[in-house]
Amino acid sequence: EIVLTQSPGTLSLSPGERATLSCRASQSVSSSYLAWYQQKPGQAPRLLIYGASSRATGIPDRFSGSGSGTDFTLTISRLEPEDFAVYYCQQYGSSPTVTFGGGTKVEIK
Amino acid sequence: QVQLVESGGGLVKPGGSLRLSCAASGFTFSDYYMSWIRQAPGKGLEWVSYISSSGSTIYYADSVKGRFTISRDNAKNSLYLQMNSLRAEDTAVYYCARGYPNDYWGQGTLVTVSS
Repeated sequence: EIVLTQSPGTLSLSPGERATLSCRASQSVSSSYLAWYQQKPGQAPRLLIYGASSRATGIPDRFSGSGSGTDFTLTISRLEPEDFAVYYCQQYGSSPTVTFGGGTKVEIK
Repeated sequence: QVQLVESGGGLVKPGGSLRLSCAASGFTFSDYYMSWIRQAPGKGLEWVSYISSSGSTIYYADSVKGRFTISRDNAKNSLYLQMNSLRAEDTAVYYCARGYPNDYWGQGTLVTVSS
């Protein structure tokens, strides 16, 4: 099973600042199969990024994904108030099973 | 628009069974892989199982293998999760989600396993 480790666990930032979230895999993940999700309290997760760097439908361009192999990054260029949430990475095709990272909470400083 | 509505959650005793359903609408259900993903209270996301569009390919997380069974009825636009031998650690909100990756999610149904 591919284990995904997200860091930091919590990121304290102010609106307008840049957020950089990391997702590290225990073995190489095909870039085609790495996704990022956003989850707000009481809501279902929302797909932000798939294929490591492609934005899902309706996702603002302040969200961007990058990386390859075992190291992937989600960047939010300028935090808006609605961006404070928990973010999860997911690998969904490098092995028959699917795994999620433990999540990074982006909170208001 | 795409809608996924889960049902069937509730309180069940350890060792008991429950069957979850997910009613899909707004898209051609038979074209998509479907998944069950759960989230224990205050915890992160845990993938449970997925099933291919035809139902011919199925995988489970090790934590539920042998106890849970995923299935689908493309004629009824419905996804199911039969959960047997339930344990306290199965307590979670269970989401159904479309696609691979998961581009649409339902709002979830809460399963509580407690005596």
